[in-house]
Amino acid sequence: SQKIEQNSEALNIQEGKTATLTCNYTNYSPAYLQWYRQDPGRGPVFLLLIRENEKEKRKERLKVTFDTTLKQSLFHITASQPADSATYLCALGLGNFNKFYFGSGTKLNVKP
Amino acid sequence: DAGVIQSPRHEVTEMGQEVTLRCKPISGHNSLFWYRQTMMRGLELLIYFNNNVPIDDSGMPEDRFSAKMPNASFSTLKIQPSEPRDSAVYFCASSFQETQYFGPGTRLLVL
Repeated sequence: SQKIEQNSEALNIQEGKTATLTCNYTNYSPAYLQWYRQDPGRGPVFLLLIRENEKEKRKERLKVTFDTTLKQSLFHITASQPADSATYLCALGLGNFNKFYFGSGTKLNVKP
Repeated sequence: DAGVIQSPRHEVTEMGQEVTLRCKPISGHNSLFWYRQTMMRGLELLIYFNNNVPIDDSGMPEDRFSAKMPNASFSTLKIQPSEPRDSAVYFCASSFQETQYFGPGTRLLVL
């Protein structure tokens, strides 16, 4: 069966450290993968997109890697800040009419 | 642009009542998505439209759920009759290419 797995346990890190979140998938062949941020009481907000032929993508303090052999994406936040505390969702896009499949998300807590 | 607009933001109703959720997508976006989010099941895609046409409704739980998109600027998700297990946050999202833009959601509680 198709699965998208994100660590359901919250990730607690100290301010200034690098946070690394994992997204693993099985039985999908995504054309691209996205990461979204969701704050309590709000809808998800798009952060980064990486395509199947890209290994790495960066945006400011954010970095995403995509390994289609391992079927895994890693999401890094460098120099983390308390304001980065939120739930982060990965989403797989198969390319057909932009349909997505979302993971359940990982909650990140950055402590001052 | 005001972003994706959803109404109502909160809805409390009794079991058996009809519930209608509304969504106005971002102007110029040609795809619209309805999602349901719960703690147990996460974010589930219910149905999505492309150019106002329903493309995939395989995520709609059962016949009690229906969705329409009569024009490019408006969509509804209807639950009739509602049940307590329908309690969740319902999100509408729109997109032009790969990126989806989510609305603030409707928090539905069915008593």
